[in-house]
Amino acid sequence: DSGVTQTPKHLITATGQRVTLRCSPRSGDLSVYWYQQSLDQGLQFLIQYYNGEERAKGNILERFSAQQFPDLHSELNLSSLELGDSALYFCASSVGRGDGYTFGSGTRLTVV
Amino acid sequence: EDKVVQSPLSLVVHEGDTVTLNCSYEVTNFRSLLWYKQEKKAPTFLFMLTSSGIEKKSGRLSSILDKKELFSILNITATQTGDSAIYLCAVKGSQGNLIFGKGTKLSVKP
Repeated sequence: DSGVTQTPKHLITATGQRVTLRCSPRSGDLSVYWYQQSLDQGLQFLIQYYNGEERAKGNILERFSAQQFPDLHSELNLSSLELGDSALYFCASSVGRGDGYTFGSGTRLTVV
Repeated sequence: EDKVVQSPLSLVVHEGDTVTLNCSYEVTNFRSLLWYKQEKKAPTFLFMLTSSGIEKKSGRLSSILDKKELFSILNITATQTGDSAIYLCAVKGSQGNLIFGKGTKLSVKP
């Protein structure tokens, strides 16, 4: 157990729907990062939050949004889902910006 | 655009062999390079390198960074079937997020 908790572990939903993925960072970690991993693209950075504020944005689609709450857990919202959004979504956390990440076990999203 | 390129993309060896995995990068404001091992699910941390020419070692695994030539290698000696995994190289830029390569899939046959 890495200390980073992601729920749910698996999610199957239909095209056009909206889902929310949840991440609880390791105790004491202030930064949360979201990554998407698909077979052909590898791990793609989506977005980073630090202590409740957005710090960096990567290749995140406009249909996707995220937030980090006062208790430091984070949610990634994916809407108007398309087949191509099927992937593993990882959350990672770190103490600050200059540290190694600890990854959660991921949420496997399947859009049918 | 920042990028990290790993080679080879896949590799098949036999137990006992030594392997070298390569990672080259182009990143503005380089801060550090990290290696991860990914088996079934979450990537697990192996090494973080920030200084050129200093080897990091952990058991049969070792890694070194060359900041002048912008690359790193990960060596695994006396490979075992349990080393079979995808090895990911990532570089941390100035914003703090990691930029990953596509990984090298290593298969170790008994």
